[in-house]
Amino acid sequence: AQSVTQPDIHITVSEGASLELRCNYSYGATPYLFWYVQSPGQGLQLLLKYFSGDTLVQGIKGFEAEFKRSQSSFNLRKPSVHWSDAAEYFCAVGRNQAGTALIFGKGTTLSVSS
Amino acid sequence: NAGVTQTPKFQVLKTGQSMTLQCAQDMNHEYMSWYRQDPGMGLRLIHYSVGAGITDQGEVPNGYNVSRSTTEDFPLRLLSAAPSQTSVYFCASRASGGTYEQYFGPGTRLTVT
Repeated sequence: AQSVTQPDIHITVSEGASLELRCNYSYGATPYLFWYVQSPGQGLQLLLKYFSGDTLVQGIKGFEAEFKRSQSSFNLRKPSVHWSDAAEYFCAVGRNQAGTALIFGKGTTLSVSS
Repeated sequence: NAGVTQTPKFQVLKTGQSMTLQCAQDMNHEYMSWYRQDPGMGLRLIHYSVGAGITDQGEVPNGYNVSRSTTEDFPLRLLSAAPSQTSVYFCASRASGGTYEQYFGPGTRLTVT
């Protein structure tokens, strides 16, 4: 069955420092992969997605992610974190080849220190 | 267009009561799904639908029913609410082709006492 693992429950990064959030997936075929962000009390916002082509994907707010099939990973990166990036981040994989629904990881909470 | 709408925004139920969470989308999307979000658990798929009249179970379907009589609406029914169903519920939709992006509603916060 498909699954998504986000190994880090909580990460604290200094403002201006770089960020990498880890995501590992389990899926038999080529996966459709997503990163979402959720600010406290808010809904989900799509940061970026991968479903084919270039394995380095650019998203909104300066985020990028790299799909590595050999490592079953889709890690999210940002070169310089801003205080407004503090939120919860979710990695997700399409539930099947049609991507009718998503399987989410348990999330990583990002805190930004000044 | 309004995108994905959910009503109500907040609801408090007593154990054993029933209710329906409403979800509607105006984008003519074929696929719709329901998730629940609990602290430390991420979002878990409850039920999903690939079109009017077609539904299937997700990861945590027990205690929930769905139906899809129109493309626009995908209500989630709790027949006999339990405290374990206290959660935030999100509805989502996407088109059958394109970029596979799911569009999420704003959520319903449900408390069962």
